[in-house]
Amino acid sequence: QVQLQESGPGLVKPSGTLSLTCAVSGGSISSAHWWGWVRQPPGKGLEWIGQTFHSGSTNYNPSLQSRLIMSLDKSNNQFSLNLSSVTAADTAVYFCARDRIEGYYFDYWGQGILVTVSS
Amino acid sequence: QSALTQPRSVSGSPGQSVTISCTGTSSDVGGYNYVSWYQQHPGKAPKLLIYDVTKRPSGVPDRFSGSKSGNTASLTISGLQPEDEADYYCCSYAGGYTFRVFGGGTKLTVL
Repeated sequence: QVQLQESGPGLVKPSGTLSLTCAVSGGSISSAHWWGWVRQPPGKGLEWIGQTFHSGSTNYNPSLQSRLIMSLDKSNNQFSLNLSSVTAADTAVYFCARDRIEGYYFDYWGQGILVTVSS
Repeated sequence: QSALTQPRSVSGSPGQSVTISCTGTSSDVGGYNYVSWYQQHPGKAPKLLIYDVTKRPSGVPDRFSGSKSGNTASLTISGLQPEDEADYYCCSYAGGYTFRVFGGGTKLTVL
């Protein structure tokens, strides 16, 4: 059973960088899947952020692309998200998820982490 | 504004059936058979219900079914149970630039 767990600061200052890590257990991030991020502003719907493949290639939401970097840490079986120049609009629960390459769906999710952008 | 359009809310009584629609375009829902549906209870992570338009992961009851016609996908829940009360989201592959789009979500109330 694959399990994912997000970690990182719960509070980030405006104009700062939001950095999150997703630790994967029960499976290897070197397997042939995408590893992705989805966020949910309080009381609102889901938004796809982006994905990274075991090869290191990435795809990003065009609306976030200029501020976004995703990467893999194979030695620690985890992947990460860095979103720069954050504003209050980036306040959300951030979920990491395994993104199946054959069918483009998220089959395993982390529990989510609330990140608030505020001074 | 979400890329895929879902009704804000639907409701039904226990034992009844409800259908939630998800309308996109030929660039997403209509162009690929890669629509998935997720159930989300308050404070919880989304849970995969349907993938590839019609397929159910193991462990998901067959009361949940998916379909697609043109640019609109649908999730049908039959034999409604109180625990089905949740938010439901559709998601579609959208090609090599946008990649993924979600619907705005539908709140299901079991009366």
